Amino acid sequence: EIVLTQSPGTLSLSPGERATLSCRASQSVSNNYLAWYQQKPGQAPRLLIYDASRRATGIPDRFIGSGSGTDFTLTISRLEPDDFAVYYCQQYGSLSLTFGGGTKVEMK
Amino acid sequence: QVQLQESGPGLVKPSETLSLTCTVSGRSISSGYYWGWIRQPPGKGLEWIGSIYHTGSTYYNPSLKSRVVISVDTSTNQFSLKLNSATAADTAVYYCARERPLQEWSQGTLVTVSS
Repeated sequence: EIVLTQSPGTLSLSPGERATLSCRASQSVSNNYLAWYQQKPGQAPRLLIYDASRRATGIPDRFIGSGSGTDFTLTISRLEPDDFAVYYCQQYGSLSLTFGGGTKVEMK
Repeated sequence: QVQLQESGPGLVKPSETLSLTCTVSGRSISSGYYWGWIRQPPGKGLEWIGSIYHTGSTYYNPSLKSRVVISVDTSTNQFSLKLNSATAADTAVYYCARERPLQEWSQGTLVTVSS
């Protein structure tokens, strides 16, 4: 089973700042099948990025996914008030899917 | 636009079976894709439970494999989850989703395991 480790656990930033979230895999993710999700309280997660760097339909271009192999990054270029939430990475390169523990982006 | 809606009891007694059904609209399950279940204990992160392919092939989280069965009914465009021998640790919001990646999600339903 691939273990995904997200860091930091919490990111305290102000609107307009850049957020950089990390996701490290215990082994290489096949085909870079790595996704990022945003979750707000009381809501289901929403797909932001898939295949490590492709934006899902309707996702603003301030959300940027990058990386390959075992190291992946989600960058939010300029935080807007609506972006404060919890973010999860998830790999689907193996038959058994796994999630990272999440990074909370909170307003400073 | 694919929509998913889960249904089932919100309260399950310890040692009993937790059963949920996900109804899919907007796309036939038979047309392809993986269809899966994910859960989230209160205040915690996401845990993948398992998936079923439209052919009926199933894939489970190794930590839950001994207790989980996922099945599909193409005639009703539904897929189902059964989790045996439920304990308080199974209390969570349960989601169903179209998978790989998890493109569309249900709204989630809280299932509490308690006597």
